[in-house]
Amino acid sequence: KQEVTQIPAALSVPEGENLVLNCSFTDSAIYNLQWFRQDPGKGLTSLLLIQSSQREQTSGRLNASLDKSSGRSTLYIAASQPGDSATYLCAVISSQDNFNKFYFGSGTKLNVKP
Amino acid sequence: EAGVAQSPRYKIIEKRQSVAFWCNPISGHATLYWYQQILGQGPKLLIQFQNNGVVDDSQLPKDRFSAERLKGVDSTLKIQPAKLEDSAVYLCASSFSGQGAYTGELFFGEGSRLTVL
Repeated sequence: KQEVTQIPAALSVPEGENLVLNCSFTDSAIYNLQWFRQDPGKGLTSLLLIQSSQREQTSGRLNASLDKSSGRSTLYIAASQPGDSATYLCAVISSQDNFNKFYFGSGTKLNVKP
Repeated sequence: EAGVAQSPRYKIIEKRQSVAFWCNPISGHATLYWYQQILGQGPKLLIQFQNNGVVDDSQLPKDRFSAERLKGVDSTLKIQPAKLEDSAVYLCASSFSGQGAYTGELFFGEGSRLTVL
């Protein structure tokens, strides 16, 4: 069964710092990997979707990479801002019994200090 | 394009009472998911529908939880009777497809926060 781990569970950085969030998964047979942001009391907002044939995706100050063979993905946030404070979750999409399943990590809670 | 709609946003009930949550997915999305999220944890899949059929309900506590998607569009999740440990956020999500290499992105609603006293 696919297991997804996110380290660290929490991270506090000063404003302006570049940072990397990590996501690892046990089964490399995945279709896609998706990164989400969750603000307190809110649902999950999609940030980036990386298809298995891609190695990275970029959106503004965010860059996500995918290394299927090693079972890892990273989310790079450049020039962090207090508004980036949220919980970041990754999910891998694998096929099981002919249907696709999303497997989530527990998230990394990011605090960007002004 | 309208997103995933959920209601109610908040609900407070006594234990042993019942509650129902409603979800309307993004138009054209065949796959609908209900997740339970406990504070500090990632979402846990309760049930996955492909059109109006159930694909996976292996983690749904069927003695108290039920869900339906009768016409393959909107869905209702019911809890009866509720327990204290059911206090959580119930998230509905949808994706274009649940099969094959092109599932597309997963889109979530704002969630329904349940407090059981």
